[in-house]
Amino acid sequence: QKEVEQDPGPLSVPEGAIVSLNCTYSNSAFQYFMWYRQYSRKGPELLMYTYSSGNKEDGRFTAQVDKSSKYISLFIRDSQPSDSATYLCAGNSGGYQKVTFGIGTKLQVIP
Amino acid sequence: GAVVSQHPSWVICKSGTSVKIECRSLDFQATTMFWYRQFPKQSLMLMATSNEGSKATYEQGVEKDKFLINHASLTLSTLTVTSAHPEDSSFYICSAFRTSEADTQYFGPGTRLTVL
Repeated sequence: QKEVEQDPGPLSVPEGAIVSLNCTYSNSAFQYFMWYRQYSRKGPELLMYTYSSGNKEDGRFTAQVDKSSKYISLFIRDSQPSDSATYLCAGNSGGYQKVTFGIGTKLQVIP
Repeated sequence: GAVVSQHPSWVICKSGTSVKIECRSLDFQATTMFWYRQFPKQSLMLMATSNEGSKATYEQGVEKDKFLINHASLTLSTLTVTSAHPEDSSFYICSAFRTSEADTQYFGPGTRLTVL
């Protein structure tokens, strides 16, 4: 079993839709959870990171973590074609510990 | 925001040659940098952790004599792929923890290596 499981998609949605991206993880030591956006042939860009369970909002993006169920979510409101990318969820146990990534979900927002 | 650069952005080399990839933190000091490899349609796989002034820590299955890592300063880490073979062709990405923001990892743009 992979430490971080993520559906690779692809996920296609119309412009303006609410997008829900999800991951599950198995490592109980994870305390920090991240979402990265990666465009084709580029390095990942940090979108959001949260500590422990709870919600965090930044503009059109909302990250949720439920440690009891080991479930991580990213919601994108009013999705735009420029949001089309691969979204990677990740977690680590904190500090300078290595980060474990999911495989990434490819999102396409259709105009 | 913090910026991490990589050089070169892409490289094509012949089998058997060595290739050096540089990773620089441009506006912050990074005591810890990470090197990842990403194959098509796969996730990032950590290869090694690079610590300034000390030996790198390699993940299980990564040959340290093949992937030489040197973290010579607080802003520069290098990855040298020695005696490269076609199976080493991949997208190599570095990342750096900003010393004052231990929980945030910033990634470089990646280097695409093609070994003929």
